[in-house]
Amino acid sequence: KAGVTQTPRYLIKTRGQQVTLSCSPISGHRSVSWYQQTPGQGLQFLFEYFSETQRNKGNFPGRFSGRQFSNSRSEMNVSTLELGDSALYLCASSGSRDRTNEQYFGPGTRLTVT
Amino acid sequence: QKEVEQDPGPLSVPEGAIVSLNCTYSNSAFQYFMWYRQYSRKGPELLMYTYSSGNKEDGRFTAQVDKSSKYISLFIRDSQPSDSATYLCAMGATDSWGKLQFGAGTQVVVTP
Repeated sequence: KAGVTQTPRYLIKTRGQQVTLSCSPISGHRSVSWYQQTPGQGLQFLFEYFSETQRNKGNFPGRFSGRQFSNSRSEMNVSTLELGDSALYLCASSGSRDRTNEQYFGPGTRLTVT
Repeated sequence: QKEVEQDPGPLSVPEGAIVSLNCTYSNSAFQYFMWYRQYSRKGPELLMYTYSSGNKEDGRFTAQVDKSSKYISLFIRDSQPSDSATYLCAMGATDSWGKLQFGAGTQVVVTP
């Protein structure tokens, strides 16, 4: 079974721009969670989607948003980029509505904001 | 105070030794406990998934959960240089809807 895939793998953007990252979950998985990983803050939860509905959201500003499509693929968007948004963005998928804690991660998208 | 505390290391051990890792937590609502391994510039890989208290063994890996002490451990037997990585503990609550709380990660170095 193919794992979680994320595109693009690397991205360089300028302050003030916006960016869209994509995540394809493991086939059959319906829950997708997004995390930001930085050396200083570690892994921090952004939001989770299940069946196209956002069920949970972390403590990030409104510039961070996401959505999920009917095929469970998910995108996250960051608008008005800041230098502090430079990070590894990870998505994780899980297989059942009740076991969204058993998460499998993709390789991540490394975003650099200059 | 962070909800999940994990010593960042680095932890250096000789090949063949037992690696002992642990995390403490403060949130009594955590019911699910996981250990992930992350190699440099890669995504985290799920190693162990446990629910509530007790022990779980999978090959060279043993995970222990003591909910009364709010303490979890991971042991790696017969460590290999390929086990050199950062190990992250993670926890979730029943109603957390996909939100995992991670420790800072412990960097492990296994020397030949």
